[in-house]
Amino acid sequence: QVQLQESGPGLVKPSETLSLTCAVSGYSISRDYHWGWIRQPPGKGLEWIGSSDHSGSAYYNPSLYSRVTISVETSKNQFSLKLTSVTAADTAVYYCARVDTGMDLGDFDYWGQGTLVTVSS
Amino acid sequence: QSVLTQPPSASGTPGQRVTISCSGSSSNIGANYVYWYQQLPGTAPKLLIYGNDQRPSGVPDRFSGSKSGTSASLAISGLRSEDEAHYYCAAWDDSLSGVVFGGGTKLTVL
Repeated sequence: QVQLQESGPGLVKPSETLSLTCAVSGYSISRDYHWGWIRQPPGKGLEWIGSSDHSGSAYYNPSLYSRVTISVETSKNQFSLKLTSVTAADTAVYYCARVDTGMDLGDFDYWGQGTLVTVSS
Repeated sequence: QSVLTQPPSASGTPGQRVTISCSGSSSNIGANYVYWYQQLPGTAPKLLIYGNDQRPSGVPDRFSGSKSGTSASLAISGLRSEDEAHYYCAAWDDSLSGVVFGGGTKLTVL
């Protein structure tokens, strides 16, 4: 049973860096698949942030490209998200997910429960 | 403004069949697979349909997906109260080199 669990600070100050980790159990992250992040502002829809595989082959949302990094840490079977220079607009529930690349990168077959990150001073 | 367009709301009574549309363009739906996600209140999204019309294991056959040109649809037959949720379509976009989502449709079971 594949399980994903997000962790990280629930409150980040404006202009600082948002850092989240997604621990994966039940599947080796060093195998195939991509590992991705999706966010959802309160009361709004889903926004794709990006995804990466264990080799560092990554794709990012063009609107976030200059601020985002997704890293896969095979030794810990986890992957992480870093988003720099955050503003209030980055307040959202952040979900991590496994991406089944059998078709393309839109197939998020397992999701974490999500973690709310608020950007505020 | 989402790249994929969905109606903000839909409704039906128990037992009815409802459809939710998702409109895109030649760079996303027209060229790539469509996915549908169900988000029950207060929970993470769940994959409902992949590859335009495939159901993951465990998803009831009451849910079906289809695609034609640059549009896709999700159909739910035999509507049940537990189907009340938000539904999102998604696809890879070749122009943006990224995944795009629809704005979501809130389904109400009357």
